[in-house]
Amino acid sequence: QKEVEQNSGPLSVPEGAIASLNCTYSDRGSQSFFWYRQYSGKSPELIMFIYSNGDKEDGRFTAQLNKASQYVSLLIRDSQPSDSATYLCAVNPGLLVRFGAGTRLTVKP
Amino acid sequence: KAGVTQTPRYLIKTRGQQVTLSCSPISGHRSVSWYQQTPGQGLQFLFEYFSETQRNKGNFPGRFSGRQFSNSRSEMNVSTLELGDSALYLCASSTGLALLEELFFGEGSRLTVL
Repeated sequence: QKEVEQNSGPLSVPEGAIASLNCTYSDRGSQSFFWYRQYSGKSPELIMFIYSNGDKEDGRFTAQLNKASQYVSLLIRDSQPSDSATYLCAVNPGLLVRFGAGTRLTVKP
Repeated sequence: KAGVTQTPRYLIKTRGQQVTLSCSPISGHRSVSWYQQTPGQGLQFLFEYFSETQRNKGNFPGRFSGRQFSNSRSEMNVSTLELGDSALYLCASSTGLALLEELFFGEGSRLTVL
C-alpha cells in the first residue's frame, strides 16, 4: 500500500463547476496535510495546508480532513481554466513530507 | 529573497555514467529534501539533509547518494546510471524545524539517460 494515494485522473470539469480531489494516507501518526499545485513544466507550489479535522476554506479552495478515515480532500469551487494543473497531496508524519502521485485536473471553458 | 536554485536544469547522460546535481536553498533554510518525479509515480522521496546530516532516507538503491555542505547547499549523486533514472529531480528547502511548514521547490534538474 502506498503511503499517500490519490486518484491519478485525469479529472475534467467544466468552467464554473466544483472540482473534488481526494487523497488517502496510511500513517495514522500523520499530523500535517498539504495540497500543492504543479503547472505543467513548473515546480510544485503550496496552495493549502490543514492539520485539524474538519474544513478549512481559503477563497475558492476548501480542504477537508478526516483523520479517523485517513482521508483528506480539496474542493475547488467555481473552477477556472487557470486551475488546470496537477494537484499533489502531501502528508507529514514527522519532519518528512510524503507526496501522492498527483491528480491532473483540466477545467474546460 | 532568492528562491531555490538547481543546476544544471537539463542534462543527458548515457547508461553507466554518473551525475551530480546541485541545489542551493533559500537563505536561512537548513533543510534540503530531494525528490524524483516521473510520470505516474509522482514525487518519490530520496533523502533529506538538515545541518549537513542526512536525517531521512527514502527507498532508493545505494547508487543514489547526497550530501550537504556547511552553507546548506546540497548535492545529490547518481552512479552507474540506468535508463529508469530518467526523471525530473526536484529539491525543496525549508527551515526543517516545524511540522507545518511549506516546502519551497527549485525548478528541477531534468535528467535523460540514453
